[in-house]
Amino acid sequence: AQSVAQPEDQVNVAEGNPLTVKCTYSVSGNPYLFWYVQYPNRGLQFLLKYITGDNLVKGSYGFEAEFNKSQTSFHLKKPSALVSDSALYFCAVRDPNDYKLSFGAGTTVTVRA
Amino acid sequence: NAGVTQTPKFQVLKTGQSMTLQCAQDMNHEYMSWYRQDPGMGLRLIHYSVGAGITDQGEVPNGYNVSRSTTEDFPLRLLSAAPSQTSVYFCATHKGSGTQETQYFGPGTRLLVL
Repeated sequence: AQSVAQPEDQVNVAEGNPLTVKCTYSVSGNPYLFWYVQYPNRGLQFLLKYITGDNLVKGSYGFEAEFNKSQTSFHLKKPSALVSDSALYFCAVRDPNDYKLSFGAGTTVTVRA
Repeated sequence: NAGVTQTPKFQVLKTGQSMTLQCAQDMNHEYMSWYRQDPGMGLRLIHYSVGAGITDQGEVPNGYNVSRSTTEDFPLRLLSAAPSQTSVYFCATHKGSGTQETQYFGPGTRLLVL
């Protein structure tokens, strides 16, 4: 069975500071990993994914994530957070042989001005 | 190209009532799925379909039925609504494989069961 853990319910940072949202996963075999963002009363928007190749993945809106196989982690990062980055962030994983995504519980990010 | 559309946007039901949540896509994607989103639990897969005429259960299928008669439509049916089904429901499609793959999510349907 596959699963995702997002250990922090909330992350609070000041604008201009680095932002990190943590994610660890469990899956048999090589994982496909994803980050999505959800703004209030909206659907999910795709940020980035790791399928294969370079462990550092760059995505939309200046976000990046690093795949660490030994630590089974896929943390989302942004060097300089903006107030507009305040949203709910979801990490997701799936087995390459299956289309079913498993999501973490989500992390609410608040960036204060 | 409308992408993934869901109707209605918001619905209030009484316990025991039935209803169908509609999901349609115009991208000719074979794979479609339904998720429910509840606070502190992320999104959980209800049912999915890998093509017209083929459906299967996800993580939380009880109380829900689906059918897939066409590639475009994937309705979710609640036969007898319960308060535990109060949630936000998202339909999604899947395109491609490997580095080319992407999931597209609809805007969601907010359901309140009294």
